[in-house]
Amino acid sequence: DTGVSQDPRHKITKRGQNVTFRCDPISEHNRLYWYRQTLGQGPEFLTYFQNEAQLEKSRLLSDRFSAERPKGSFSTLEIQRTEQGDSAMYLCASSPQTGFTGELFFGEGSRLTVL
Amino acid sequence: TQLLEQSPQFLSIQEGENLTVYCNSSSVFSSLQWYRQEPGEGPVLLVTVVTGGEVKKLKRLTFQFGDARKDSSLHITAAQPGDTGLYLCAGTAQGGSEKLVFGKGTKLTVNP
Repeated sequence: DTGVSQDPRHKITKRGQNVTFRCDPISEHNRLYWYRQTLGQGPEFLTYFQNEAQLEKSRLLSDRFSAERPKGSFSTLEIQRTEQGDSAMYLCASSPQTGFTGELFFGEGSRLTVL
Repeated sequence: TQLLEQSPQFLSIQEGENLTVYCNSSSVFSSLQWYRQEPGEGPVLLVTVVTGGEVKKLKRLTFQFGDARKDSSLHITAAQPGDTGLYLCAGTAQGGSEKLVFGKGTKLTVNP
């Protein structure tokens, strides 16, 4: 399967701990997005990369959140000093290079539970 | 901030019934997308509409983009239990933004 893959699928952590999520996009896609989805809500945009450049960040992305895509391939999203309000599904998506059409290919998500 | 409001939030119907889901905004979008999401999975794109007044059909699903490009609807004919899921509309803002704004979704349950 050559879809978007995310790891881990589930993460349970204690408040104050750091967590890191990894996303491997579809190989020929140069755009990569991170979204957060809480129960009963649609996905909320966090940040996006074109190749290795982080081109846009949401105000939702506090100083405790950092995302990287060092070689323009996989990406990591790190949350430092987790809080209970960080509990959510973190979705990664990618899209191809040829003009933005709104078609995002999503992974299955990484569900974070902060106790 | 561009917002997309979806209605209804929840919909439970019997197999064979027809239904319509709405997506409205006060903002103009360059395009609107409809995604479907099943529990524990990421959203999957169903359709993109770009032109005001555009109608697209996908088997039993009919999608319409409003003339002013501020709203959209999804109509399902003869719903089946396999149509159960969360239907999300998403919009691309004008001006070259590459950020999708999502509505909260309509959770559809089709009972056999």
